[in-house]
Amino acid sequence: EPEVTQTPSHQVTQMGQEVILRCVPISNHLYFYWYRQILGQKVEFLVSFYNNEISEKSEIFDDQFSVERPDGSNFTLKIRSTKLEDSAMYFCASSEPQEMNTEAFFGQGTRLTVV
Amino acid sequence: KQEVTQIPAALSVPEGENLVLNCSFTDSAIYNLQWFRQDPGKGLTSLLLIQSSQREQTSGRLNASLDKSSGRSTLYIAASQPGDSATYLCAVNVDSSYKLIFGSGTRLLVRP
Repeated sequence: EPEVTQTPSHQVTQMGQEVILRCVPISNHLYFYWYRQILGQKVEFLVSFYNNEISEKSEIFDDQFSVERPDGSNFTLKIRSTKLEDSAMYFCASSEPQEMNTEAFFGQGTRLTVV
Repeated sequence: KQEVTQIPAALSVPEGENLVLNCSFTDSAIYNLQWFRQDPGKGLTSLLLIQSSQREQTSGRLNASLDKSSGRSTLYIAASQPGDSATYLCAVNVDSSYKLIFGSGTRLLVRP
């Protein structure tokens, strides 16, 4: 069964360092997303990506964040200069919109710890 | 602004019991609603998707209903098993970017 895969599963980084989280969405999907979940809190939307550009981003997704689809399969989230409060589980998701009713499939997440 | 609330926050039941998890949302203008399961420290597994035009959706022992006008959805789990223990998340799809707005989840424990 097709699935969304994320690497690494866990990343520890020092404050101020850049990190890149990687995702391989389901191959025939057209929409890609990043969400995050701070420990004990709700899953929050960060950004959606369609047709090689950002379609929507949340207030959280500031200039420190960027997304890219460097080739036909990978979808990446870059955090330029990590802060302690960026520590969270980051989820990648993808969907294949059909008449505006679509099911989103999530990866297993990357746990980012900023020290 | 769309807000999603799930009640109860936690639930503990003996094995075999039928149970209902509740989800409410403040803005009825949704495209669809999706229920997920999350095991501790793991990703989100999609359980059911209810389109805005549907009233309910079933998968095995799971049945989800949607009442858009009242801003409510329920997830019914029949004959609960210890393997059903997890956090159940409700999320609504709100606009043409297909982003999801999540509730806080209901943490379910099914005791053997």
